[in-house]
Amino acid sequence: EPEVTQTPSHQVTQMGQEVILRCVPISNHLYFYWYRQILGQKVEFLVSFYNNEISEKSEIFDDQFSVERPDGSNFTLKIRSTKLEDSAMYFCASSERSWNTEAFFGQGTRLTVV
Amino acid sequence: DAKTTQPPSMDCAEGRAANLPCNHSTISGNEYVYWYRQIHSQGPQYIIHGLKNNETNEMASLIITEDRKSSTLILPHATLRDTAVYYCIAYFGNEKLTFGTGTRLTIIP
Repeated sequence: EPEVTQTPSHQVTQMGQEVILRCVPISNHLYFYWYRQILGQKVEFLVSFYNNEISEKSEIFDDQFSVERPDGSNFTLKIRSTKLEDSAMYFCASSERSWNTEAFFGQGTRLTVV
Repeated sequence: DAKTTQPPSMDCAEGRAANLPCNHSTISGNEYVYWYRQIHSQGPQYIIHGLKNNETNEMASLIITEDRKSSTLILPHATLRDTAVYYCIAYFGNEKLTFGTGTRLTIIP
C-alpha cells in the first residue's frame, strides 16, 4: 500500500537554528499538507500546497515557516529560526484531490528544540 | 466546518463492537462526516467518510442519521490494536482538516 514517508523521524536542534523536515508524498497525489501536534494537544493544520503554491495557511504558519516542492517527489517544511515552542510532532499528508477524498498522513517527525 | 461533539473517552471489550457517537447538529447539506484515528503519537489514519448514506469498508461502518445531525462509527470486532483517539470531523472535504480532541477508545482484553 502506498504511504507518505517522512524523514528524519526525530530531529534535535538548537534554538535559532534552521531546520528542514522532509516528506515524500504518495506519487499520484496533487495536494500536500503539513500539520503539527504539540505534546498533549490537538493536531493543528499549518499549510496546504497545490500546483506549486500555498493554497491555504493557518495563523501558525508565519514568516518563519516556508514550504517547497523542490523536485517531483519531495515536499519540505523549513523553519528558519527555531524557537522552543516549535517543539512538536510534524505530520506531512497528501491527497489525490481536494474534494471528497481522504488524506494520507506520514508517521511524523518529532522536532525537539533545545 | 461544522462543530462536532464526541465523548472524551470510551472503553470496549476486545471482540465486541465499538460504537463511537458523534454529534454534528449544525452540519450543512454538503458537509461530509469524516472519521480519522490516531494510534499513540502516530500520524492520523483515515477510517471512513460519508455524506448522507451509511457507508462500510474493511475497517468500519458509518451510520449517519436521516437528519444528519449525528453519526456513529462502528468497529465490528474491536481488537487491542484499535486502541486510539478517534476524531469525527464534519467538513466540506476540501483540503484543511480541523481536528478536535476526539474520543479516546480503550479496548479492554
